[in-house]
Amino acid sequence: TQLLEQSPQFLSIQEGENLTVYCNSSSVFSSLQWYRQEPGEGPVLLVTVVTGGEVKKLKRLTFQFGDARKDSSLHITAAQPGDTGLYLCAGKDPLSENTPLVFGKGTRLSVIA
Amino acid sequence: DSGVTQTPKHLITATGQRVTLRCSPRSGDLSVYWYQQSLDQGLQFLIQYYNGEERAKGNILERFSAQQFPDLHSELNLSSLELGDSALYFCASARTSYNEQFFGPGTRLTVL
Repeated sequence: TQLLEQSPQFLSIQEGENLTVYCNSSSVFSSLQWYRQEPGEGPVLLVTVVTGGEVKKLKRLTFQFGDARKDSSLHITAAQPGDTGLYLCAGKDPLSENTPLVFGKGTRLSVIA
Repeated sequence: DSGVTQTPKHLITATGQRVTLRCSPRSGDLSVYWYQQSLDQGLQFLIQYYNGEERAKGNILERFSAQQFPDLHSELNLSSLELGDSALYFCASARTSYNEQFFGPGTRLTVL
């Protein structure tokens, strides 16, 4: 069974600080997605990374897929209150296209003004 | 707006009752997924349908069932409800089984 461990579980920081959250597994994934979920709403897809070592940037957010495609990180520069939310990573099994995504339990980020 | 719609937004019911949650996928998406989210368990995959047929099954209880209709909308039926079934239920859709998923706004179910 593939599992994704996200750390830290909770993070509370001041506006303007930088932060990194992690998504780790002992399994290989063919792709990995990051979602942000705000209270009472559904997760919103931020990015998909596919290639080992791939780095994608979305404004102040930088996503990296590990070389071995077992882990990923999300770095936020100069965090803002609008970044507050639950960040979820989800991985795709490379052995079966029909296997659903595996989700981590998420990192709950709070950015204080 | 993801283009996925879910109704109702909120549902309050009593133990032992049965409810139906409805999901309309994005236009053109053939795959529909159902998830349950609670504070302690995170986002749990329940079941997937692709073009009307069941494609994958996760941690779905026998008291729960789902179907996808010819117009591609899907319904999740929850019966003999228990207090522990209180959670957010999300539907997501995708073009195919291996495309990115887009989530609806969810249905918050409260069982009293």
